[in-house]
Amino acid sequence: KNQVEQSPQSLIILEGKNCTLQCNYTVSPFSNLRWYKQDTGRGPVSLTIMTFSENTKSNGRYTATLDADTKQSSLHITASQLSDSASYICVVSALGFGGGADGLTFGKGTHLIIQP
Amino acid sequence: NAGVMQNPRHLVRRRGQEARLRCSPMKGHSHVYWYRQLPEEGLKFMVYLQKENIIDESGMPKERFSAEFPKEGPSILRIQQVVRGDSAAYFCASSPVQGGRDSPLHFGNGTRLTVT
Repeated sequence: KNQVEQSPQSLIILEGKNCTLQCNYTVSPFSNLRWYKQDTGRGPVSLTIMTFSENTKSNGRYTATLDADTKQSSLHITASQLSDSASYICVVSALGFGGGADGLTFGKGTHLIIQP
Repeated sequence: NAGVMQNPRHLVRRRGQEARLRCSPMKGHSHVYWYRQLPEEGLKFMVYLQKENIIDESGMPKERFSAEFPKEGPSILRIQQVVRGDSAAYFCASSPVQGGRDSPLHFGNGTRLTVT
């Protein structure tokens, strides 16, 4: 069964600090991995998409890494800001629609709180 | 350049009533997906539609739930005879190509349904 596990479930850090969120998956065959940011009361917004051959991808202060061998990904946030407070969702796409007709398996997200 | 538009943002229904949730995809997008999100849970796929076609509804309960995406107008997710367990946030997403596997899904801000 395709699964995506995220850790930690929640995280509180001080403004200006860095943090790293983890994503482990068992989705197969793998197509790509995405990180989304979901602000409270809003829909998810795409941060990065990485395919099998990509190890690192950055989007401003967000840097995602992918290790397709160990089936792990991380999202590193540098110099956190109050606006980074949100849920961060890891989504893995399977070839052949292994996770619903959209082929996507969603993690439950990491709830990040940035404190001033 | 409007994004995915969902309305209403909040909907309150009594048990037994009908709920209609609307979604207008991004301009140029012909593929629509509906997801349900419960608190502390990941997004769950419900149904995937193209104009005038239901491609896959494997994630949607067989009874009381239906979806359509007519040639003209928004996609509609309809829940008949709502029960308290239907209370959730319902998100619509759109993409310009099939399956969404290689392109980011664009999400609306959701409709929060509360059944009293």
